[in-house]
Amino acid sequence: GIQVEQSPPDLILQEGANSTLRCNFSDSVNNLQWFHQNPWGQLINLFYIPSGTKQNGRLSATTVATERYSLLYISSSQTTDSGVYFCAVVREGTYKYIFGTGTRLKVLA
Amino acid sequence: EAQVTQNPRYLITVTGKKLTVTCSQNMNHEYMSWYRQDPGLGLRQIYYSMNVEVTDKGDVPEGYKVSRKEKRNFPLILESPSPNQTSLYFCASSLGGGLAGTYNEQFFGPGTRLTVL
Repeated sequence: GIQVEQSPPDLILQEGANSTLRCNFSDSVNNLQWFHQNPWGQLINLFYIPSGTKQNGRLSATTVATERYSLLYISSSQTTDSGVYFCAVVREGTYKYIFGTGTRLKVLA
Repeated sequence: EAQVTQNPRYLITVTGKKLTVTCSQNMNHEYMSWYRQDPGLGLRQIYYSMNVEVTDKGDVPEGYKVSRKEKRNFPLILESPSPNQTSLYFCASSLGGGLAGTYNEQFFGPGTRLTVL
């Protein structure tokens, strides 16, 4: 099946720093989303981005479907950005969602 | 407010006692899905439904049942729960189901934390 790998697995930042999270996938996909799971376990939609670039405040994302990766950029990080970031994909021709391994982010005040 | 709701949010039960976790969405979405999240294993899809009366297995369907009799509801049934089904469960819905040309942004419920003793 399709493999979805995220890097880095863990990241510690000082408040105000910038970071780039990566999602690599091993097969063609029709769907890609980025989520933030906060410390209370809630899954929050960040971006629906099967291709192209989107921005939302301090966050932006880029998916290059032909090269099978997506990037999530966090600028001027805040302590509330802490949590786990997941990407999720749907392999082309299927209805099954596969989640990546996640990046655990801790932002220090 | 557009949302996915799950009940109960927390449940402690015993081995073998049948239970149902309900899921409902008010967005008229075609696609609904159940996931479980376990430490070290991430989120894995249990079952999904592309439309009313149409369901299919995800990656970890063993020990679970689902039904989709109405568009808005997608209950998860554990006929005989076992301790290895202790997990955090999420329901999700989207307008489309992942195929090209459909809008497939998934929205997640708040989660149900299940403990089976």
